[in-house]
Amino acid sequence: GAGVSQSPSNKVTEKGKDVELRCDPISGHTALYWYRQSLGQGLEFLIYFQGNSAPDKSGLPSDRFSAERTGGSVSTLTIQRTQQEDSAVYLCASSPWGYGYTFGSGTRLTVV
Amino acid sequence: DAKTTQPPSMDCAEGRAANLPCNHSTISGNEYVYWYRQIHSQGPQYIIHGLKNNETNEMASLIITEDRKSSTLILPHATLRDTAVYYCIVSHQAGTALIFGKGTTLSVSS
Repeated sequence: GAGVSQSPSNKVTEKGKDVELRCDPISGHTALYWYRQSLGQGLEFLIYFQGNSAPDKSGLPSDRFSAERTGGSVSTLTIQRTQQEDSAVYLCASSPWGYGYTFGSGTRLTVV
Repeated sequence: DAKTTQPPSMDCAEGRAANLPCNHSTISGNEYVYWYRQIHSQGPQYIIHGLKNNETNEMASLIITEDRKSSTLILPHATLRDTAVYYCIVSHQAGTALIFGKGTTLSVSS
């Protein structure tokens, strides 16, 4: 596609439920990144993929968070047993190896 | 540990040049300087990056000092739509994710 696509754009979930957030990167971009941004805060790095492998997952805040990427394309970020502090905008970006990132519009997650 | 230092906020009059400074005194020889911006409620947008030479594209110019310890992003004719948070990031070109700091909030007014 023309850009990085994220779905859903908005998600409201009850505390304790699991959620899946999807990212469709730009075709041919080998690197894919997940960040989150809490209200009024900066971007927090979560995990990055090169192809289907994740050389750096140091930013995942707890073992409730996991991510995978299949076929060197689509990535899914899963949050299990959501907590209110997980409420944030989750941003995905992709890039050709070593070049500037293109970000998606994000998924706004609200845990109630 | 922060690799870059930026002023928290700056103001600029519409039509004037906006010069955004960034200090990166501990930059290593193979690290690049990247600039991104984030307009309210949108994802960050790539602006420009460079290693040691000055760079220019349709959005901005990047001036890197000879010792590479600081740089300046120049928006030659700022418009109201340039109001955003501007992030200066130092990183290797490949193999690591970019770590965003707090950036500079640029306010352009008429």
